Amino acid sequence: QVQLVESGGGVVQPGRSLRLSCAASGFTFSTYGLHWVRQAPGKGLEWVAVLWYDGSHKYYEDSVKGRFTISRDTSKNTLHLQMNSLRAEDTAVYYCARLNSDFNGMDVWGHGTTVTVSS
Amino acid sequence: SSELTQDPALSVALGQTVRITCQGDSLRSYYANWYQQKPGQAPVLVISGENNRPSGIPDRFSGSNSGNTASLTITGAQAEDEADYYCNSRDSSENHPIWVFGGGTKLTVL
Repeated sequence: QVQLVESGGGVVQPGRSLRLSCAASGFTFSTYGLHWVRQAPGKGLEWVAVLWYDGSHKYYEDSVKGRFTISRDTSKNTLHLQMNSLRAEDTAVYYCARLNSDFNGMDVWGHGTTVTVSS
Repeated sequence: SSELTQDPALSVALGQTVRITCQGDSLRSYYANWYQQKPGQAPVLVISGENNRPSGIPDRFSGSNSGNTASLTITGAQAEDEADYYCNSRDSSENHPIWVFGGGTKLTVL
């Protein structure tokens, strides 16, 4: 079945880096764009970044521009989020989600991976 | 800045109808999508586009759009509908696409 599985979360000190991964299965990876969405503890959903289906375009939420990089490895059906210069406010559950361009929404979500930025 | 506004909390009696609304300028250009999130779980798409339900979503969920406002209606709310509901849409900033979420509505079924 269609599935997204995130990994790579953990506890990291402020200013350090972390790389999240999202393994996709059950659909043709190269034909879908993918998002990262995060949710801070007790808060709502926040869009983080999107990568076009062919990797040609990537866009970011303002607070992560210049610090986070979204990428994909089509040979491994995997999406990545490289997070540098982490801040306490980046603490959240990070979800990857599939972009359905028919309605510009997110039709499949992973279970999430937790990132905690703390000294 | 881009923004979608939702009521923070609503309640509905079991079996009654509730409407959850979402307002924002982006909705003049793009349809809202709606997600249900239960505690400790990932969001689930319940309504997309003009008024489309993914497979497996009960037909008591419906959506509508008018101007800068989108609505999610649950007709005959069930106990299992108690959850947080988020709207989202595409938008644009500095000529490139972004996505925005509403702050979420916590729905209690009485």
